Amino acid sequence: AQRVTQPEKLLSVFKGAPVELKCNYSYSGSPELFWYVQYSRQRLQLLLRHISRESIKGFTADLNKGETSFHLKKPFAQEEDSAMYYCALRIGSQGNLIFGKGTKLSVKP
Amino acid sequence: ETGVTQTPRHLVMGMTNKKSLKCEQHLGHNAMYWYKQSAKKPLELMFVYSLEERVENNSVPSRFSPECPNSSHLFLHLHTLQPEDSALYLCASSVRDAAYNEQFFGPGTRLTVL
Repeated sequence: AQRVTQPEKLLSVFKGAPVELKCNYSYSGSPELFWYVQYSRQRLQLLLRHISRESIKGFTADLNKGETSFHLKKPFAQEEDSAMYYCALRIGSQGNLIFGKGTKLSVKP
Repeated sequence: ETGVTQTPRHLVMGMTNKKSLKCEQHLGHNAMYWYKQSAKKPLELMFVYSLEERVENNSVPSRFSPECPNSSHLFLHLHTLQPEDSALYLCASSVRDAAYNEQFFGPGTRLTVL
């Protein structure tokens, strides 16, 4: 069955510390993975997608098919990074997304 | 407001009420989605409409009834809901079948069922 697992409900770090938000997936097909972010009082929005291999706001994520993971990383966390982060898996040709439960990142000054 | 809009933003209803949630997108997308976001579960896909045709119904109870009159508007009609239906209901839209397509979300309707 298709599944996205984010093992941490809450991750708290200090400003300037590295951060890694974990995401593992289960899918028999070729995975398409995304990270969505929801800042306080804002709507859910796309942060990055694996195919782009881009760095957005200092965040990167590498798809590791061997470990079925798509962890989100940033070397130096900023207070404005505090938000809910959701990993999502696109299944099938129709484009439906399966979301993880989300990880709340709190960056303390 | 541009993008995906939802009304009302907050709704309190009794179990015997009938109400509707509205979603509107001005992005030229051809697919629209309803999601349920509750505290203890992941974001759950409820319904998908592609080109105004329902293509997905994820075992949602019949007390939720979607309607998509055109590619820009999506409704969720609510009838005899239960307290456990209290949640944030999110609407999203996208270009269907586009590789690595991004879904754009509305701000959500916070529903409380008394």
